[in-house]
Amino acid sequence: SQWGEENLQALSIQEGEDVTMNCSYKTYTTVVHWYRQDSGRGPALIILIRSNEREKRSGRLRATLDTSSQSSSLSITAAQCEDTAVYFCATDDNNNRIFFGDGTQLVVKP
Amino acid sequence: GGIITQTPKFLIGQEGQKLTLKCQQNFNHDTMYWYRQDSGKGLRLIYYSITENDLQKGDLSEGYDASREKKSSFSLTVTSAQKNEMAVFLCASSSDRGGQDTQYFGPGTRLLVL
Repeated sequence: SQWGEENLQALSIQEGEDVTMNCSYKTYTTVVHWYRQDSGRGPALIILIRSNEREKRSGRLRATLDTSSQSSSLSITAAQCEDTAVYFCATDDNNNRIFFGDGTQLVVKP
Repeated sequence: GGIITQTPKFLIGQEGQKLTLKCQQNFNHDTMYWYRQDSGKGLRLIYYSITENDLQKGDLSEGYDASREKKSSFSLTVTSAQKNEMAVFLCASSSDRGGQDTQYFGPGTRLLVL
């Protein structure tokens, strides 16, 4: 398997808190994708960070990538109820396919 | 922007039945994918196609067939549905950079086998 962590993890936080989700992967990748999946819908890309980037921001989202430790993180600042979703990280094999982790179920409570 | 359409939205089948799922995209993307998602799990790749009439097996291809009849459409066939099987099948498309670029997903087909 591409991933170190295989089981869906769950996080529950209060609105306004900051949260960080982590991923570790086993083999070399040129890019880490972070997707968000709302209930009953397909995943949607929220941040894509390439191997030559250490950090990438998009609004309240911040992704980091450490290629030496083969890990990536996604942080959400001042989480809101609408951030409730499953968040997946995924890596590519440089051959048209990407591998998804099992994801983190984030629940943001009002 | 484009859109990915999957039909049907819900599919109920009988054990042993052959079932076909369809996917259409209007992004004009070269690469299309079929994933299976089980409850509480990530996405597992069944088949992908990098161009019309091309097929590449993923990690979960056994028990499935696929067909890329034209650039905009990619269908998946469950060759023999397994009793009590329940999963969501997701179709995606991407530019020719494949894994290094965004994958756009459809809403999924929910399968239940009785």
